[in-house]
Amino acid sequence: QITLKESGPTLVKPTQTLKLTCTFSGFSLSTRGVGVAWIRQPPGKAPEWLAVIYWNDDERYSPSLESRLTITKDTSKNQVVLSMTNMDPVDTGTYYCAHYGFLGYCSGRLCYSLSDWGLGTLVTVSS
Amino acid sequence: EIVLTQSPGILSLSPGERATLSCRASHSVSSSNLAWYQQQAGQAPRLLIFGASTRATGIPDRFSGSGSGTDFTLTISRLEPEDFAVYYCHQFGSSIFTFGPGTKVEIK
Repeated sequence: QITLKESGPTLVKPTQTLKLTCTFSGFSLSTRGVGVAWIRQPPGKAPEWLAVIYWNDDERYSPSLESRLTITKDTSKNQVVLSMTNMDPVDTGTYYCAHYGFLGYCSGRLCYSLSDWGLGTLVTVSS
Repeated sequence: EIVLTQSPGILSLSPGERATLSCRASHSVSSSNLAWYQQQAGQAPRLLIFGASTRATGIPDRFSGSGSGTDFTLTISRLEPEDFAVYYCHQFGSSIFTFGPGTKVEIK
Protein backbone atom coordinates (compact mmCIF):
# COMPACT_ATOMS: atom_id res chain seq x y z
CA GLN A 1 0.00 0.00 0.00
CA ILE A 2 1.35 3.40 -1.03
CA THR A 3 1.02 6.29 1.40
CA LEU A 4 2.34 9.84 1.34
CA LYS A 5 2.21 12.49 4.04
CA GLU A 6 3.04 16.17 3.79
CA SER A 7 4.51 18.05 6.74
CA GLY A 8 5.68 21.57 7.36
CA PRO A 9 4.54 24.94 8.71
CA THR A 10 0.89 25.87 8.48
CA LEU A 11 1.58 29.60 8.65
CA VAL A 12 4.38 31.54 6.99
CA LYS A 13 4.99 35.26 6.69
CA PRO A 14 5.34 37.09 3.39
CA THR A 15 8.88 36.96 1.95
CA GLN A 16 9.76 33.88 4.02
CA THR A 17 10.84 30.57 2.52
CA LEU A 18 8.47 27.61 2.79
CA LYS A 19 9.94 24.15 3.31
CA LEU A 20 7.67 21.14 3.01
CA THR A 21 8.55 17.48 3.47
CA CYS A 22 6.82 14.54 1.85
CA THR A 23 7.36 11.25 3.66
CA PHE A 24 6.23 8.20 1.74
CA SER A 25 6.03 4.43 2.00
CA GLY A 26 5.07 1.56 -0.26
CA PHE A 27 7.43 2.43 -3.10
CA SER A 28 11.06 3.33 -3.67
CA LEU A 29 12.32 6.49 -5.33
CA SER A 30 15.24 4.48 -6.66
CA THR A 31 12.96 2.37 -8.89
CA ARG A 32 13.22 3.23 -12.58
CA GLY A 33 10.41 5.45 -13.80
CA VAL A 34 9.19 6.53 -10.37
CA GLY A 35 8.81 10.14 -9.29
CA VAL A 36 7.31 12.31 -6.58
CA ALA A 37 5.51 15.51 -7.49
CA TRP A 38 4.27 18.52 -5.55
CA ILE A 39 0.93 20.10 -6.42
CA ARG A 40 -0.85 22.98 -4.71
CA GLN A 41 -4.46 24.04 -4.73
CA PRO A 42 -5.66 27.51 -3.72
CA PRO A 43 -9.04 27.51 -1.96
CA GLY A 44 -11.82 26.92 -4.49
CA LYS A 45 -9.44 26.63 -7.45
CA ALA A 46 -7.94 23.89 -9.59
CA PRO A 47 -4.75 22.03 -8.68
CA GLU A 48 -1.50 23.57 -9.90
CA TRP A 49 1.58 21.44 -10.46
CA LEU A 50 4.78 22.79 -8.89
CA ALA A 51 7.62 20.32 -9.33
CA VAL A 52 8.60 16.69 -9.80
CA ILE A 53 11.72 14.70 -9.03
CA TYR A 54 12.46 11.32 -10.59
CA TRP A 55 14.37 8.22 -9.58
CA ASN A 56 17.35 9.37 -11.67
CA ASP A 57 17.56 12.79 -9.94
CA ASP A 58 15.94 14.57 -12.90
CA GLU A 59 14.05 17.62 -11.63
CA ARG A 60 11.33 19.52 -13.47
CA TYR A 61 9.58 22.71 -12.40
CA SER A 62 6.53 24.71 -13.32
CA PRO A 63 7.83 27.35 -15.77
CA SER A 64 5.97 30.14 -13.96
CA LEU A 65 7.45 29.28 -10.54
CA GLU A 66 10.80 27.75 -11.43
CA SER A 67 12.87 30.60 -10.03
CA ARG A 68 11.34 30.12 -6.56
CA LEU A 69 11.33 26.34 -6.28
CA THR A 70 13.82 23.65 -5.30
CA ILE A 71 12.96 19.96 -5.00
CA THR A 72 15.29 17.40 -3.44
CA LYS A 73 15.07 13.77 -2.42
CA ASP A 74 16.53 11.54 0.28
CA THR A 75 16.01 8.03 -0.99
CA SER A 76 17.27 6.40 2.21
CA LYS A 77 14.69 8.29 4.29
CA ASN A 78 11.88 7.99 1.72
CA GLN A 79 11.47 11.75 1.72
CA VAL A 80 11.13 14.53 -0.82
CA VAL A 81 11.53 18.17 0.20
CA LEU A 82 10.14 21.21 -1.59
CA SER A 83 11.39 24.72 -0.90
CA MET A 84 9.58 27.81 -2.15
CA THR A 85 11.16 31.21 -1.63
CA ASN A 86 9.62 34.66 -1.28
CA MET A 87 6.19 33.49 -0.15
CA ASP A 88 3.21 35.75 -0.81
CA PRO A 89 -0.44 35.65 0.33
CA VAL A 90 -1.41 34.38 -3.15
CA ASP A 91 0.59 31.24 -2.35
CA THR A 92 -1.96 30.28 0.29
CA GLY A 93 -3.48 26.89 -0.36
CA THR A 94 -3.32 23.17 0.22
CA TYR A 95 -0.03 21.59 -0.79
CA TYR A 96 -0.02 17.94 -1.89
CA CYS A 97 2.69 15.47 -2.75
CA ALA A 98 1.89 12.61 -5.09
CA HIS A 99 3.48 9.40 -6.36
CA TYR A 100 4.19 9.25 -10.09
CA GLY A 101 4.44 5.64 -11.11
CA PHE A 102 3.82 2.93 -13.66
CA LEU A 103 0.19 1.88 -13.82
CA GLY A 104 0.10 -0.56 -16.72
CA TYR A 105 -0.07 -0.75 -20.47
CA CYS A 106 -2.47 1.49 -22.39
CA SER A 107 -2.94 0.50 -26.00
CA GLY A 108 0.47 -1.13 -25.91
CA ARG A 109 2.25 1.86 -24.41
CA LEU A 110 3.63 2.32 -20.92
CA CYS A 111 1.27 4.41 -18.84
CA TYR A 112 2.25 6.47 -15.83
CA SER A 113 0.29 8.95 -13.74
CA LEU A 114 0.00 10.66 -10.38
CA SER A 115 -1.69 7.65 -8.87
CA ASP A 116 -1.49 8.25 -5.13
CA TRP A 117 -1.75 11.52 -3.23
CA GLY A 118 -1.16 12.60 0.32
CA LEU A 119 -3.95 14.21 2.32
CA GLY A 120 -2.40 17.62 1.79
CA THR A 121 -1.32 20.35 4.17
CA LEU A 122 -2.89 23.80 4.30
CA VAL A 123 -0.35 26.60 4.16
CA THR A 124 -1.46 30.14 4.94
CA VAL A 125 0.72 33.11 4.04
CA SER A 126 -0.04 36.07 6.25
CA SER A 127 1.77 38.62 8.36
CA GLU B 1 3.07 24.59 -22.06
CA ILE B 2 -0.12 22.75 -22.88
CA VAL B 3 -3.26 24.49 -21.61
CA LEU B 4 -6.32 22.39 -20.80
CA THR B 5 -9.85 23.78 -20.91
CA GLN B 6 -12.88 21.94 -19.57
CA SER B 7 -16.55 22.30 -20.35
CA PRO B 8 -19.04 22.84 -19.03
CA GLY B 9 -17.88 24.58 -15.88
CA ILE B 10 -20.92 23.31 -14.00
CA LEU B 11 -23.13 20.35 -14.92
CA SER B 12 -26.47 20.09 -13.12
CA LEU B 13 -27.93 16.60 -13.33
CA SER B 14 -30.09 14.17 -11.37
CA PRO B 15 -28.99 10.80 -10.00
CA GLY B 16 -29.29 8.13 -12.67
CA GLU B 17 -28.59 10.53 -15.52
CA ARG B 18 -25.61 10.39 -17.86
CA ALA B 19 -22.80 12.94 -17.48
CA THR B 20 -20.50 13.92 -20.33
CA LEU B 21 -17.47 16.05 -19.45
CA SER B 22 -15.14 17.55 -22.05
CA CYS B 23 -11.43 18.39 -21.89
CA ARG B 24 -9.69 20.21 -24.73
CA ALA B 25 -5.92 20.72 -25.04
CA SER B 26 -4.17 23.66 -26.69
CA HIS B 27 -1.79 21.23 -28.40
CA SER B 28 -1.95 17.53 -29.13
CA VAL B 29 -1.53 15.30 -26.07
CA SER B 30 -0.35 11.72 -26.14
CA SER B 31 -3.22 9.58 -24.90
CA SER B 32 -0.87 7.77 -22.53
CA ASN B 33 -0.31 11.12 -20.76
CA LEU B 34 -3.96 12.08 -20.17
CA ALA B 35 -5.74 11.38 -16.89
CA TRP B 36 -8.95 12.29 -15.08
CA TYR B 37 -9.36 12.94 -11.35
CA GLN B 38 -12.36 13.25 -9.06
CA GLN B 39 -12.23 15.53 -6.06
CA GLN B 40 -14.71 15.57 -3.22
CA ALA B 41 -14.87 18.58 -0.93
CA GLY B 42 -12.02 18.57 1.59
CA GLN B 43 -10.28 15.60 0.00
CA ALA B 44 -7.31 15.06 -2.27
CA PRO B 45 -7.94 14.34 -5.95
CA ARG B 46 -8.51 10.65 -6.74
CA LEU B 47 -7.29 9.09 -9.97
CA LEU B 48 -10.19 7.80 -12.06
CA ILE B 49 -8.79 7.30 -15.56
CA PHE B 50 -5.25 7.11 -16.93
CA GLY B 51 -4.03 6.64 -20.47
CA ALA B 52 -7.18 8.54 -21.54
CA SER B 53 -9.39 5.44 -21.27
CA THR B 54 -8.13 2.98 -18.64
CA ARG B 55 -9.90 2.90 -15.31
CA ALA B 56 -7.71 3.03 -12.23
CA THR B 57 -7.91 0.28 -9.63
CA GLY B 58 -11.26 0.13 -7.89
CA ILE B 59 -13.03 2.61 -10.18
CA PRO B 60 -16.56 1.47 -11.14
CA ASP B 61 -17.27 0.71 -14.77
CA ARG B 62 -19.85 3.49 -15.00
CA PHE B 63 -16.81 5.76 -15.48
CA SER B 64 -15.27 5.73 -18.95
CA GLY B 65 -12.77 7.89 -20.80
CA SER B 66 -12.23 8.43 -24.49
CA GLY B 67 -10.60 10.75 -26.97
CA SER B 68 -7.30 11.52 -28.60
CA GLY B 69 -5.18 14.41 -29.85
CA THR B 70 -6.73 17.54 -28.38
CA ASP B 71 -10.22 16.34 -27.41
CA PHE B 72 -10.97 14.02 -24.52
CA THR B 73 -14.17 13.01 -22.76
CA LEU B 74 -15.09 11.56 -19.38
CA THR B 75 -18.48 9.87 -19.26
CA ILE B 76 -20.37 8.74 -16.19
CA SER B 77 -23.10 6.44 -17.48
CA ARG B 78 -25.50 6.67 -14.51
CA LEU B 79 -24.79 9.15 -11.77
CA GLU B 80 -24.70 7.79 -8.24
CA PRO B 81 -25.02 10.12 -5.23
CA GLU B 82 -21.28 9.81 -4.51
CA ASP B 83 -20.39 10.98 -8.04
CA PHE B 84 -21.39 14.59 -7.42
CA ALA B 85 -17.98 16.22 -7.19
CA VAL B 86 -15.44 18.21 -9.19
CA TYR B 87 -13.60 16.52 -12.05
CA TYR B 88 -10.22 17.57 -13.44
CA CYS B 89 -8.40 16.46 -16.54
CA HIS B 90 -4.60 16.36 -16.39
CA GLN B 91 -1.75 15.90 -18.81
CA PHE B 92 2.01 15.54 -18.44
CA GLY B 93 3.78 15.89 -21.75
CA SER B 94 7.55 16.48 -21.69
CA SER B 95 7.42 16.33 -17.87
CA ILE B 96 5.41 19.56 -17.66
CA PHE B 97 2.23 18.74 -15.79
CA THR B 98 -0.96 20.76 -16.22
CA PHE B 99 -4.51 20.50 -14.91
CA GLY B 100 -7.75 21.75 -16.38
CA PRO B 101 -9.94 24.22 -14.45
CA GLY B 102 -12.45 21.52 -13.55
CA THR B 103 -16.09 20.63 -14.09
CA LYS B 104 -18.39 20.60 -11.10
CA VAL B 105 -21.12 17.98 -11.30
CA GLU B 106 -23.92 19.10 -9.01
CA ILE B 107 -27.30 17.72 -8.07
CA LYS B 108 -30.12 19.28 -10.05
